Amino acid sequence: GPKVLQIPSHQIIDMGQMVTLNCDPVSNHLYFYWYKQILGQQMEFLVNFYNGKVMEKSKLFKDQFSVERPDGSYFTLKIQPTALEDSAVYFCASRTVSNERLFFGHGTKLSVL
Amino acid sequence: GDSVTQTEGQVALSEEDFLTIHCNYSASGYPTLFWYVQYPGEGPQLLFRASRDKEKGSSRGFEATYDKGTTSFHLRKASVQESDSAVYYCALSGPLPNTNKVVFGTGTRLQVLP
Repeated sequence: GPKVLQIPSHQIIDMGQMVTLNCDPVSNHLYFYWYKQILGQQMEFLVNFYNGKVMEKSKLFKDQFSVERPDGSYFTLKIQPTALEDSAVYFCASRTVSNERLFFGHGTKLSVL
Repeated sequence: GDSVTQTEGQVALSEEDFLTIHCNYSASGYPTLFWYVQYPGEGPQLLFRASRDKEKGSSRGFEATYDKGTTSFHLRKASVQESDSAVYYCALSGPLPNTNKVVFGTGTRLQVLP
């Protein structure tokens, strides 16, 4: 079936550094999402992106967070600077315009030391 | 805002037992309701969804019925297998085109013992 790829699968960085998480969504999908999951806890919505714009974001989407998809390449989540509480698994998801079904990647585990 | 409540955090069953995981939601209008399943090391994947009152969604022996009167979408399976062990999430979103945010419940970890 359709696959969302996330690169890297695990990223370890020092607090205060910048990190970029990459997502290769399903090829004909136009809506993109990031979710955050702290170990053993629920999926929490961060942001939704469509047509080059953030459509909706949650309180978890701090000012240090940004998303973009330049020229139809990777959909990225950038955190600058990182904080200890940013340690989590970040899941990218995508969907078509006409279907609410989300397709998720396998996640990127971010460890902020 | 919209929310989803799953009352069971963990469920442990034996093979061939009957499964019920309770899901209640709070949202205006007619949200679309989903059940997603997450296996270790993977992202959630859709089990099924329903978008109208009394609509039944089903897949792989799992089923749930949209009940607007009780604002519920309980997951059931008549006979679970060890391979069903996973985390199950109830979720909701606004119907198309207002589907900017999909809200997930806290998840229920199902363990099926052989």
